[in-house]
Amino acid sequence: ETGVTQSPTHLIKTRGQQVTLRCSSQSGHNTVSWYQQALGQGPQFIFQYYREEENGRGNFPPRFSGLQFPNYSSELNVNALELDDSALYLCASSLGGVNTGELFFGEGSRLTVL
Amino acid sequence: AQKITQTQPGMFVQEKEAVTLDCTYDTSDPSYGLFWYKQPSSGEMIFLIYQGSYDQQNATEGRYSLNFQKARKSANLVISASQLGDSAMYFCAMKTPSNTGKLIFGQGTTLQVKP
Repeated sequence: ETGVTQSPTHLIKTRGQQVTLRCSSQSGHNTVSWYQQALGQGPQFIFQYYREEENGRGNFPPRFSGLQFPNYSSELNVNALELDDSALYLCASSLGGVNTGELFFGEGSRLTVL
Repeated sequence: AQKITQTQPGMFVQEKEAVTLDCTYDTSDPSYGLFWYKQPSSGEMIFLIYQGSYDQQNATEGRYSLNFQKARKSANLVISASQLGDSAMYFCAMKTPSNTGKLIFGQGTTLQVKP
């Protein structure tokens, strides 16, 4: 068991709506990163938070935003949803470090945008 | 550009046999880490094995081993004695200092183990 939990597990939204996805990191982990995985594709890095500050961002528009809280849990917010935002959103936590920091993933939140 | 390439969209293997999943990478960073993850239908990414760019020996973790050929920029995953529970999607990934620690994933390989 990885200890990373995500909610909700599944949700359906309509185009133009906003969504908030939540992630509780594994105990003691201070770094959280979010990935978007479209069907049949590898995950794409959205952004990473380290000690409540954004610490790296992938090629995603500003309507993708996030937060990390003092207990290191995190939220991913997506505004003005588009059909292409339909994907599995994965949260991963780690103890930081660059090359040896193993990421522990949650089971993801599967978002469908209609 | 940093890139991971997995050229096998799907693979079949007979139960109890060994299988090799291919992965090539591209980076100009001298320091990097290579990872393999397993993703069953539940969606969770399960860490399997890690190889650092300066590691002298190939990584091994139980039935998993990583065939690291630095000059060829390849990091193939070898699964020995395949089990039915090994059927899943497998992803190769890379992390480098210049990418703020993010993981770059390949497209994945779907492995099906036949009884």
